[in-house]
Amino acid sequence: GAGVSQSPSNKVTEKGKDVELRCDPISGHTALYWYRQSLGQGLEFLIYFQGNSAPDKSGLPSDRFSAERTGGSVSTLTIQRTQQEDSAVYLCASSRDSVGSYEQYFGPGTRLTVT
Amino acid sequence: GQSLEQPSEVTAVEGAIVQINCTYQTSGFYGLSWYQQHDGGAPTFLSYNALDGLEETGRFSSFLSRSDSYGYLLLQELQMKDSASYFCAVGGGGFKTIFGAGTRLFVKA
Repeated sequence: GAGVSQSPSNKVTEKGKDVELRCDPISGHTALYWYRQSLGQGLEFLIYFQGNSAPDKSGLPSDRFSAERTGGSVSTLTIQRTQQEDSAVYLCASSRDSVGSYEQYFGPGTRLTVT
Repeated sequence: GQSLEQPSEVTAVEGAIVQINCTYQTSGFYGLSWYQQHDGGAPTFLSYNALDGLEETGRFSSFLSRSDSYGYLLLQELQMKDSASYFCAVGGGGFKTIFGAGTRLFVKA
């Protein structure tokens, strides 16, 4: 595909349910980021994958959040036992992330609403 | 830890020049980026500075002073379509990226 894609675009779930959010990065991009953005707020870093290195999970807000990246491509962010404060737009971005190439390309995001 | 500070809002008139400042505190430094985000849209990349000095891209320029842990985004010949949120960010090049809280720019006719 031409850009980063995310699915679903919208997700409404009941408090306590688990959700999975998917990100397809641009082909050939070794770096993949997940961010969370609440309405009118900045981007909160969640997790960073770079090639085959261990991911930087330092931004995950609790152990209910986890992410994996299979085959160095598609990534899934899982939120277990969702809470209302998890409601936000979840953005995925990818980049070549090599020396001289820092531009991140963002997907359209998944809007998560926990009722 | 890492933190970035930028003004929450800036207002300017069409055709004017506006500067959005960003100061940062980081345990390491790997470059300062700027992104634009329109309401309901995804952030899009504007510029990146790894070294001190000014980078110019059309109407937009970005400046970095590593000794002062400071940078700014300069927007010239403002247009209504420039009304958006602007984020500075540090990181990249194999390290995680941290974003500032964003500056909302209002361009008035």
